[in-house]
Amino acid sequence: AQSVTQLDSQVPVFEEAPVELRCNYSSSVSVYLFWYVQYPNQGLQLLLKYLSGSTLVKGINGFEAEFNKSQTSFHLRKPSVHISDTAEYFCAVSDSNTDKLIFGTGTRLQVFP
Amino acid sequence: NAGVTQTPKFQVLKTGQSMTLQCAQDMNHNSMYWYRQDPGMGLRLIYYSASEGTTDKGEVPNGYNVSRLNKREFSLRLESAAPSQTSVYFCASSPTGQNSPLHFGNGTRLTVT
Repeated sequence: AQSVTQLDSQVPVFEEAPVELRCNYSSSVSVYLFWYVQYPNQGLQLLLKYLSGSTLVKGINGFEAEFNKSQTSFHLRKPSVHISDTAEYFCAVSDSNTDKLIFGTGTRLQVFP
Repeated sequence: NAGVTQTPKFQVLKTGQSMTLQCAQDMNHNSMYWYRQDPGMGLRLIYYSASEGTTDKGEVPNGYNVSRLNKREFSLRLESAAPSQTSVYFCASSPTGQNSPLHFGNGTRLTVT
């Protein structure tokens, strides 16, 4: 069965600094990986996804993530964050054996001026 | 284009009461899902429906039932609410399972006293 681990529950960072949100997964078959963002009092929105092909995936709002099969990781990065990036970020995994999407516990990104 | 619509937005129940959370999507998606979100636990899958006429248990199905009424609608029922079911409930849909991103509703905040 798949599982997802987000190692950091909170990440505080100053505006215009770079940020990395970590995600590790486990699965026995080919995986599909996603990052979602949740702004306060809203549902989740897709940031980016990895299905196959290039391991560096670019998403909306300047975010990108790199799929690393040997380290079973899919870390999310942004070179320069804005106040408006303050939100909760969720990593999720699915695979070729299932229709289910399993989420990590989330990382709250807090951007300070 | 409404996307995924959940009703109600808020609900307070007493222990032992029953209720049904409604979800409808207008994107002609095959798959639909119910998640609950609790602090520090991320989103956990309650039930999902890969296609009209089918439903399957997720990670935390106990205390819940679902109905895939037609392709558009997927309802979640609490037969006898318990305080442990206090949570925010999200409905989501996708074209298919596996590698399709989910589209989320804005959630139902349920409190059981």
